[in-house]
Order: sequence, then C-alpha cells, then structure tokens
Amino acid sequence: GAVVSQHPSRVICKSGTSVKIECRSLDFQATTMFWYRQFPKQSLMLMATSNEGSKATYEQGVEKDKFLINHASLTLSTLTVTSAHPEDSSFYICSARRTGFSSITEAFFGQGTRLTVV
Amino acid sequence: GESVGLHLPTLSVQEGDNSIINCAYSNSASDYFIWYKQESGKGPQFIIDIRSNMDKRQGQRVTVLLNKTVKHLSLQIAATQPGDSAVYFCAERGGNTGKLIFGQGTTLQVKP
Repeated sequence: GAVVSQHPSRVICKSGTSVKIECRSLDFQATTMFWYRQFPKQSLMLMATSNEGSKATYEQGVEKDKFLINHASLTLSTLTVTSAHPEDSSFYICSARRTGFSSITEAFFGQGTRLTVV
Repeated sequence: GESVGLHLPTLSVQEGDNSIINCAYSNSASDYFIWYKQESGKGPQFIIDIRSNMDKRQGQRVTVLLNKTVKHLSLQIAATQPGDSAVYFCAERGGNTGKLIFGQGTTLQVKP
C-alpha cells in the first residue's frame, strides 16, 4: 500500500519558537495533502488543504499566518507552527491524496506528529 | 454546522464477540462514508468505506451499514480480537465540499 511519512514523530519546543513538520508521500505523487489537528480524546479537525504549487486553503478559524503550509513538490508538504505557544500542543496528522484519484480511499494518513510546547 | 457524531464514547466487548459501533451524521449531501481505526499515538488507518448509493458493504470481518433515512452509519466487527482495541472514527465526505469530516470517535475495548 501507499505510504505517507511524517517527520518528526515527536517534538518538544520552547514557547515562541517555530516548528516544521514534514509530510511525504513515499511511493506515490500527491497533488493534494491535508493537515489535521487532534487534541487528546478528541476527533481529527481539518486545518487546511494543501495543493502542490498553489496556496493552501485554510478552514475557518485556522490562522494561516500561524500555521504556514508549503506544498512545493508532489511528494512533500510542510506545516510550520510559528511562534508556538503551549495551546498549540497537539497531535498533527497529514494525509496525502494520490494524484489522479478523487476517491477518499486514495488518501493515506501519516503516523502523526506529537507537538509539545513548553 | 455540519457534524458527525458517535453515540457511545466507549464500547467494551468480550474477545470473540461481535462489535457494533454506531455513528450519526447530519449532512444529507454527503456522498461517501469511511470508517477508520486509530491506535494510540498513530494516524488513522482505513478500514472500509461505502458510497451513499449503497446500504451495505462487507470486508474481511467487517461490515458497514448505511441508513440514509435516519442518517446512520454502523461498523460491525465479527469475532472481535484484542488487536481490534482502538478508537474508531466514522468520517463523511461532504458532497458539496469534498472535505472529509470526522466523527468524535468510539473507543473499543476488547476483554480477553
């Protein structure tokens, strides 16, 4: 099956610093990638849709200047949490949709990144 | 707003029994539904999906039922095993937006 890799899996950063999370599709091309946020014992909330070569589309209430998304290639999207604060601590998950497929089953999830801001 | 919710936050079953996890959705325009399994500290894993023009679909040990009349989705797991212990999410794809909306999740605990 298709593999989506996120890096890092865990990161601890100081308040005020920025953290970059990478999402890579390892064996397929992904025109579209999605970024989700998940708090403990809660569901996944879609933050933004990332499209290769264009600006990301953010969900209502998500600050685009705080959560910078760059989808520079067909296999890599990055999420940068800028000026992180403790309330940004969460589990961030990406998914990648295989190019040419509109079916949801062709969207594969990464293993997630646990961000802790201290 | 749109929402997908699950009836029970936790389901505890005996190993070998069948499990039924329920989900209610509110967007009648949703055209595609998916069940995911999420183990602690990991990303969601696809289990099974169903299109809105179907009412039942079977996989290996799993069956998804869709009742559009009452906007209800269920996941049935046959002969539940300890490895099935996880949080299960239903998700719907909005027919208008194409976005995937997740429900709140049900924790399945399998007792040996």
